Amino acid sequence: EIVLTQSPTTMAASPGEKVTITCHASSSVSYMHWYQQKPGASPKPWIYATSTLASGVPDRFSGSGSGTSYSLTINNVEAEDAATYYCQQWNYPLTFGSGTKLEIK
Amino acid sequence: EVQLVETGGGLVQPGRSLKLSCVASGFTFNNYWMSWTRQAPGKGLEWVASITNSGGSTYYPDSVKGRFTISRDNAQNTLYLQMNSLRSEDTATYYCTRARIIRGTFFDYWGQGVMVTVSS
Repeated sequence: EIVLTQSPTTMAASPGEKVTITCHASSSVSYMHWYQQKPGASPKPWIYATSTLASGVPDRFSGSGSGTSYSLTINNVEAEDAATYYCQQWNYPLTFGSGTKLEIK
Repeated sequence: EVQLVETGGGLVQPGRSLKLSCVASGFTFNNYWMSWTRQAPGKGLEWVASITNSGGSTYYPDSVKGRFTISRDNAQNTLYLQMNSLRSEDTATYYCTRARIIRGTFFDYWGQGVMVTVSS
């Protein structure tokens, strides 16, 4: 089973800042997917196949990476981006990272 | 509009069984793999089971293998999760998810979730 380690666990950013969330895999993976979850809501698909934004996701979000290191970046973070972000690796058994909670100051 | 509506959750004693259902609408159900993913209170996401579009193959993590069974009725657009020998650690919100095979498995639609509490 591939273990995904996200960092940081929590973070706070001011509007307009650039934010990067990383996801490290215990073994090399070919692709990474990302989800956004707000309190009391179901997760939403956010980025798939490492770098493709899901429908409706603002283009201030981007994804990149390869091998064992992947990242989600937000340029010019906005208040509505406050949420927990989870990475998920592409193959079975499917596994998720433990999440990164982003707070906006 | 894609909709996934889960039912069947509730309070159950350890060692007992429970069956969840998920009715799908807004897409051609038998064209898609489907999955269940869960989230324990205050915790992260955990994949629970997946099934191919025909129902011919199923996949599970070791944590539920042998206890949980995923199945589907394509004529009724319904996904199921039979959970046996339930443990306290199975307490979670269970989400029905549509799986897209895009560079591996990606969950592109999620239901609202149904709560399962395993407690005596």
